Amino acid sequence: SQTIHQWPATLVQPVGSPLSLECTVEGTSNPNLYWYRQAAGRGLQLLFYSVGIGQISSEVPQNLSASRPQDRQFILSSKKLLLSDSGFYLCAWSVGGENIQYFGAGTRLSVL
Amino acid sequence: SQKIEQNSEALNIQEGKTATLTCNYTNYSPAYLQWYRQDPGRGPVFLLLIRENEKEKRKERLKVTFDTTLKQSLFHITASQPADSATYLCALGTDTGGFKTIFGAGTRLFVKA
Repeated sequence: SQTIHQWPATLVQPVGSPLSLECTVEGTSNPNLYWYRQAAGRGLQLLFYSVGIGQISSEVPQNLSASRPQDRQFILSSKKLLLSDSGFYLCAWSVGGENIQYFGAGTRLSVL
Repeated sequence: SQKIEQNSEALNIQEGKTATLTCNYTNYSPAYLQWYRQDPGRGPVFLLLIRENEKEKRKERLKVTFDTTLKQSLFHITASQPADSATYLCALGTDTGGFKTIFGAGTRLFVKA
């Protein structure tokens, strides 16, 4: 069966520090991969998605970047965090045209 | 711009009653609509998908309707239980929109025993 791993679960970082969140998927090949951010009481904001190794589409210009070095690995990064980067970050994968999303457990990021 | 609206106010119902949640959308022609459940501090979990040519879909105590004329989906939970308490998100996608799905902000449901 397929599983998705996302870590860390919580993270507290100072403003201006770098960020690296990692997500890996097991049990499926060539998945579509996604990074979302969810602010309190708000919907899921799609940040990046990838349909293959090295292929990254950015939805919202911002302080973040994403990379897909391997088929089932997706990394969210920042060189210098801002206060506004705080939030709940979710990784997800999908296969197939109906694009059903399977989410990781999420990372709660607090930038202080 | 594309917009998905879900009732931002929490829905409080008594155990055993039917919960009905609404998802409205504008400036969008989705090929399918999905419903997810999200518990506090967790990632959303997929529940049901309904396509534009389907009027209704059922799964156990869950029922989803899709009215492309009204641009609305209704999500019903029959015989609700306290364990059904969670936030429910609707999401829309198109067959030509690549691999992007647009999510609503969700409606919080509380089922009281």
